[in-house]
Amino acid sequence: AQRVTQPEKLLSVFKGAPVELKCNYSYSGSPELFWYVQYSRQRLQLLLRHISRESIKGFTADLNKGETSFHLKKPFAQEEDSAMYYCALDQTGANNLFFGTGTRLTVIP
Amino acid sequence: NAGVMQNPRHLVRRRGQEARLRCSPMKGHSHVYWYRQLPEEGLKFMVYLQKENIIDESGMPKERFSAEFPKEGPSILRIQQVVRGDSAAYFCASSLTRGAKEAFFGQGTRLTVV
Repeated sequence: AQRVTQPEKLLSVFKGAPVELKCNYSYSGSPELFWYVQYSRQRLQLLLRHISRESIKGFTADLNKGETSFHLKKPFAQEEDSAMYYCALDQTGANNLFFGTGTRLTVIP
Repeated sequence: NAGVMQNPRHLVRRRGQEARLRCSPMKGHSHVYWYRQLPEEGLKFMVYLQKENIIDESGMPKERFSAEFPKEGPSILRIQQVVRGDSAAYFCASSLTRGAKEAFFGQGTRLTVV
């Protein structure tokens, strides 16, 4: 069965430090993975998807099929990056996304 | 385009009452998805609707929960005879075409059952 695991509920880093939010998945097919972000009092919004291989707000994520991971990384954290981050998996043919439990990132000034 | 609008943002109900959560999709979107987020858990799919039709309700609890998306007006998620365990954040998303990954999310409704 498909599963998305975000092992860290809370993550705090200092401004300017590198940040990595972990995401592991289990899925027997060919996955499509996403990172969503929810800033304080705002709606959940798509941050990036693995197929586009783009960098958004300095964040990147690489799909590692060998390790079944899709970790989100940013070399230099900014205070405005403080938010909830959710990793999600799209199963081929499914009508829904499977979400991890989320990681709350706090960037300390 | 105001985005997906959910109301109310916060809803308090006593046990046994009914809760009605509304979702107005983005303009032109005819596909709506409802998710529930229980405390300490990720968003879990509940139901996918297209105008006037329920396409997939595999995530809906069998009793007390129902959803509709009428031809006119918002999508409604209705919970009858609420219990404490229904306390959660309920998120709605909408998309122009079929596909949850293309959907835009609302801000959610936080339901508290006292």
